[in-house]
Formats: sequence, structure tokens, C-alpha cells
Amino acid sequence: SQTIHQWPATLVQPVGSPLSLECTVEGTSNPNLYWYRQAAGRGLQLLFYSVGIGQISSEVPQNLSASRPQDRQFILSSKKLLLSDSGFYLCAWSVADWNTGELFFGEGSRLTVL
Amino acid sequence: GQNIDQPTEMTATEGAIVQINCTYQTSGFNGLFWYQQHAGEAPTFLSYNVLDGLEEKGRFSSFLSRSKGYSYLLLKELQMKDSASYLCAVLDSNYQLIWGAGTKLIIKP
Repeated sequence: SQTIHQWPATLVQPVGSPLSLECTVEGTSNPNLYWYRQAAGRGLQLLFYSVGIGQISSEVPQNLSASRPQDRQFILSSKKLLLSDSGFYLCAWSVADWNTGELFFGEGSRLTVL
Repeated sequence: GQNIDQPTEMTATEGAIVQINCTYQTSGFNGLFWYQQHAGEAPTFLSYNVLDGLEEKGRFSSFLSRSKGYSYLLLKELQMKDSASYLCAVLDSNYQLIWGAGTKLIIKP
């Protein structure tokens, strides 16, 4: 069966510090991978998605970047965090075609920037 | 612009029935999804509608009317564990998911 895992689950970082969130998927090949951010009272905001190794599409210009060094690994990074980067970050995967469109989410990472 | 509207919060009684509405305006349509999200957790898939009509899955049902840009999620025989946020999302013509802000459902004994 397929599983998705992201870490860390919770982190508190000072403004200006770097960030690295990691996500791995097991049990499937060539998945589409996504990074979302969820702010309180707002819908999920798509930050990045990837259809293959080294292929990253950015949906929103921001302080963050993403990389996909391996087929089932997706990393969200920042060189210098801003207060506005605080939020709940979710990694997700889907099958390469959209027959069902179901997204499978990781456990989430709650980031607080102070 | 693209827009998904759903009520911010609803309250219902254990054992009752509740209907959560979702209206959408998107560039194209390739399906509508409902997800459940408990506080502090990731969303989990509930249902997918791409054709008009009602899809039933146990205590949960989802309805779609594409001509009206409207969907609802119907929860029957409510249980305390159904207290959660319910997210409506539409797959647009570019196969991008557009998400609503979610409806927080509070179940009272």
C-alpha cells in the first residue's frame, strides 16, 4: 500500500532562519507531488507541484522553493523565513493521471516563525 | 476569478442529518471533491463527483449540479467523531484543484 510521510511535524523558527521540510512517498512510482500551505480560515493554497524528478512548478511567487531530487522525495525550503511563512504545510501525492483526482496528504507540518 | 463558497461554520445534533453546501465558479470543470479534516490533521478524501446526481457512500452522500455550479455533502446519523472541517474542491480545466475555505462542523450531544 502507498504511504506518505512528512517531517518535522512541528517547528518553531526565528525570522531569517532557513527551513527544510521533507516529504517521501512509498509504494508508488512517478507520482505527482504537491506542497500546500493552509492558513487559518482559508482554503488550501498550492505552493509547488512536480510531475517528475527535477520538474517543479511554482504557483505563487514567494520566499520558498521546492526540489525533487528523487522520484518519491519532495523538499520545501527557504533561505530566510519571514513571519508570513507561518502556517500548516501539507505535502500530497496523486497518481500521474487525473481519473479520480484523489490527493493523499501527509501528516502536515506546523511552522511558527517568531 | 475562480471562487468556491461554503459556510464557515455549522452546528448539528448527534444522530441528526446535516447538509453542507458548496457553490463554485471556476474556469472549466473536471470534478468536485469533498475532504474531511479533523483539527490539526491532514485532509482525507470523502467523495468525488463529476456527473450530476447523488453519490452515496455509507452515512455520507454528495450531490452535484453542474448547471447550477452547486454541490452538497449530506451527513446522516451524525456522530461526535464527525466534528471536523469539510473542504470542497473543484478540479478546473487545467486540472488544478481550487479549494474552498472549509466548513467547520460542530456536533453537539
